[in-house]
Amino acid sequence: GENVEQHPSTLSVQEGDSAVIKCTYSDSASNYFPWYKQELGKRPQLIIDIRSNVGEKKDQRIAVTLNKTAKHFSLHITETQPEDSAVYFCAATLGGGFKTIFGAGTRLFVKA
Amino acid sequence: NAGVTQTPKFQVLKTGQSMTLQCAQDMNHEYMSWYRQDPGMGLRLIHYSVGAGITDQGEVPNGYNVSRSTTEDFPLRLLSAAPSQTSVYFCASSTQGRDQPQHFGDGTRLSIL
Repeated sequence: GENVEQHPSTLSVQEGDSAVIKCTYSDSASNYFPWYKQELGKRPQLIIDIRSNVGEKKDQRIAVTLNKTAKHFSLHITETQPEDSAVYFCAATLGGGFKTIFGAGTRLFVKA
Repeated sequence: NAGVTQTPKFQVLKTGQSMTLQCAQDMNHEYMSWYRQDPGMGLRLIHYSVGAGITDQGEVPNGYNVSRSTTEDFPLRLLSAAPSQTSVYFCASSTQGRDQPQHFGDGTRLSIL
C-alpha cells in the first residue's frame, strides 16, 4: 500500500540551531502535505502545510519544501527553542484527497 | 465552539468486551476520521467518512466498525476487544473538499487486558 517514510526518528539539537525533518511519499497523485506537532499527552496540531503547486512555504521560523519529482518534502525549523521540543509528523493525502497517511514521527529535543 | 470532542478519555476493557468510542464535532465538518497511535508507528487511519451515510476503510480497519448517521457524530465500535487494540485513539475532522487540514480531538487512551 501507499506509505510515507519519515527521518530521523529522533533529533537532538542545541537551542538556536536549526532542525530538519525529511519525508518521502509513494503516491505520485498526492497533492497535499501537512505537518503536525504533538506535545506529550496532547492532540496533534497542524503547524504548516504545502500543496503540490508550491515548492516552498514559510511561516516565521518554520518552512516546508516540496520536490514532487523526487516525492520528497522537508520541514525546517530555524532558531530552535525549548518549546519546539515535541513529536513532529509529516503526512500526505492520497490521490483521492480524503485519505491521509502519516509518517512514523520525529521526536525533537531542543537542549537549552 | 468545542471543536472535536472524544469520550471517554480513558477506558480499560477485558478481552472480548465490546465498546463504542464517541466522537462529535460542532464545526459542521463533512469529513471525519479515526486513527490509532502506537509507539513508533505514527497515526494509522482506521476508518473515515466523507459525509453522513458514507464510510470507508483506512489502513487498519479490521476489528473496528463505524457508522455516520449525522454530520456531527462518528462513533467507533470495537465488537470484541483484543489486547492488540490497546492504543490511543484520535478522531479528526476537516471541512468539505479534498486535501484539507484535520482538527483532532484530545484522544481516548484504551487498554485491553
